[in-house]
Amino acid sequence: QLVLTQSPSASASLGASVKLTCTLSSAHSTYAIAWHQQQPEKGPRYLIKINSDGSVSKGDGIPDRFSGSSSGAERYLTIFSLQSEDEADYYCQTWDKGIHVFGIGTKVTVL
Amino acid sequence: LQLQESGPGLVKPSETLSLTCAVSGGSISSRNYYWGWVRQPPGKGLEWIGNIYYSGNTYYNPSLQSRVTISVDTSKNQFSLRLSSVTAADTAVYYCARLASIATTQAQFDYWGQGTLVSVSS
Repeated sequence: QLVLTQSPSASASLGASVKLTCTLSSAHSTYAIAWHQQQPEKGPRYLIKINSDGSVSKGDGIPDRFSGSSSGAERYLTIFSLQSEDEADYYCQTWDKGIHVFGIGTKVTVL
Repeated sequence: LQLQESGPGLVKPSETLSLTCAVSGGSISSRNYYWGWVRQPPGKGLEWIGNIYYSGNTYYNPSLQSRVTISVDTSKNQFSLRLSSVTAADTAVYYCARLASIATTQAQFDYWGQGTLVSVSS
């Protein structure tokens, strides 16, 4: 079964960096994933797609301080130079043969 | 690209929820994209509902498949969602979105609508 695992919460200080992890189920460890940001009371926004080889493609207008990487079944989103507007929920998403799955989301708090 | 959901904000239990997503700034008939629906119950995470290609090919969440119909109207550049036999558990913000595709294989959602809240209550 295609499953994505995320930690429910993360926090870091203003101006620091934070690294979020999205783990694919073992049978799907080579799949690509995408990260989406959802600020409070807003709809989601596509941030970045991460392939298993670490190659990435970003959404339109996404700042350089959002970065993606990959290792094994884990896909990472690193946010550098945290700003107050980065306080949001971050969801990872993957897909297989027309079926799509989201992780539970990670709530990022900017201290 | 802009996507705008529209439809009733209140639906009675056992009735059918119907929403439309109007697409502007791009063609729904493009071979490079799919179009989909995602929902989010209050205070909860995102749940994929289903997707459609301009040709009419559909893909549904197995947990909702028996109640969901997604259709496309290329002449109006819009697509629609119907969810039958609704209950309170279907109360959610419903988002329409575009999916990128690679050689007709679906990939990530890359543009989202702002969402519309649909409440199920008598």
